[in-house]
Amino acid sequence: SAVISQKPSRDICQRGTSLTIQCQVDSQVTMMFWYRQQPGQSLTLIATANQGSEATYESGFVIDKFPISRPNLTFSTLTVSNMSPEDSSIYLCSVTGQYFGPGTRLTVL
Amino acid sequence: AQSVTQLDSHVSVSEGTPVLLRCNYSSSYSPSLFWYVQHPNKGLQLLLKYTSAATLVKGINGFEAEFKKSETSFHLTKPSAHMSDAAEYFCVVSRYSYSGGGADGLTFGKGTHLIIQP
Repeated sequence: SAVISQKPSRDICQRGTSLTIQCQVDSQVTMMFWYRQQPGQSLTLIATANQGSEATYESGFVIDKFPISRPNLTFSTLTVSNMSPEDSSIYLCSVTGQYFGPGTRLTVL
Repeated sequence: AQSVTQLDSHVSVSEGTPVLLRCNYSSSYSPSLFWYVQHPNKGLQLLLKYTSAATLVKGINGFEAEFKKSETSFHLTKPSAHMSDAAEYFCVVSRYSYSGGGADGLTFGKGTHLIIQP
């Protein structure tokens, strides 16, 4: 199994600003995944982040809105850019497709 | 493309009675299937997973699921419900089989809210 931590655990942000979420894993992994869980909804895959290459985004998600970095095999960041209230969600990172971090609860005012 | 359909948005059972949460899947590949549980304001917890080995999969907390290819189903069951089982349950499919060493993003069902009546 993998132990995954995320920072921040929660944040309240103003519309138009950006927030960068960090994901740290206790072991080296090839693929990391970012998900969004909107209030009362299921999880939706945003993108897949491989170390050393550009992230692959799912339909409906674009790099300008959700830029992702993957500088090494244990770390990734997801930025939510130019936020609006519709971006209020829990953002989760995942590794090996099975293990999930605790999530970052984002509220946009 | 893969997808999952959770047939019930809410299930209510009495404590001590059996639990059945239904899930049908669609996949172009031999799928890997998972059940996750999410308690209120808590993170996701993996209950069990199917990766093309035994079709009856035993998980944590007394849950189990049976993979039925002919019915494209992966229903979750528990013989006796406990109050602590009240939570949201997600059926999930992956594009690749983990037993083959691959890994890919997951597609989540819409969730089933399990209510336990005292």
